[in-house]
Amino acid sequence: DTEVTQTPKHLVMGMTNKKSLKCEQHMGHRAMYWYKQKAKKPPELMFVYSYEKLSINESVPSRFSPECPNSSLLNLHLHALQPEDSALYLCASSQEESSGANVLTFGAGSRLTVL
Amino acid sequence: GQNIDQPTEMTATEGAIVQINCTYQTSGFNGLFWYQQHAGEAPTFLSYNVLDGLEEKGRFSSFLSRSKGYSYLLLKELQMKDSASYLCAVMDSNYQLIWGAGTKLIIKP
Repeated sequence: DTEVTQTPKHLVMGMTNKKSLKCEQHMGHRAMYWYKQKAKKPPELMFVYSYEKLSINESVPSRFSPECPNSSLLNLHLHALQPEDSALYLCASSQEESSGANVLTFGAGSRLTVL
Repeated sequence: GQNIDQPTEMTATEGAIVQINCTYQTSGFNGLFWYQQHAGEAPTFLSYNVLDGLEEKGRFSSFLSRSKGYSYLLLKELQMKDSASYLCAVMDSNYQLIWGAGTKLIIKP
């Protein structure tokens, strides 16, 4: 299995809703990432988990809450989002967080629309 | 500050060759990556360079000059499916990826 699986592919939510994005990989990768990507922009790093521990939080607002239940799963809990949070949310994984040839394998993304 | 520059958009003809340049200024260097991203899809890994020189992989090659802070991605025998954005990313001294804004490549028949 060489894939990162993300669900749902599309999500529409109101500003008062609570929802979650899910990510799964079975490649034995020890680092998992959440990125946010707006149209025609590069991915922006949000969070990094290394060996199931949060190692990087790029000053992301608390309305985004990551969770890593085990080494294969990564969730992003969403609450009280703003319309400007509408974007493509990409999950990625890699063998290790801090290594040179750290190739990221991305999931297909969850396209989020906040109304 | 850290900065990666690449052209916003390029156009090329099917069957031709195109070179996408990337220049960078980062805090340290632990390698340079090229990713391909089709519209609405996830980025996929193309190449990794950490030493100076050319890495060839089929129709795609990537070149690095660390002293010049410069890389290019060379695509040969262009196909319509190569229409995509090409993202240059540099791993800095803290092993963080710094991304360029991407180059949108348009292939015309």
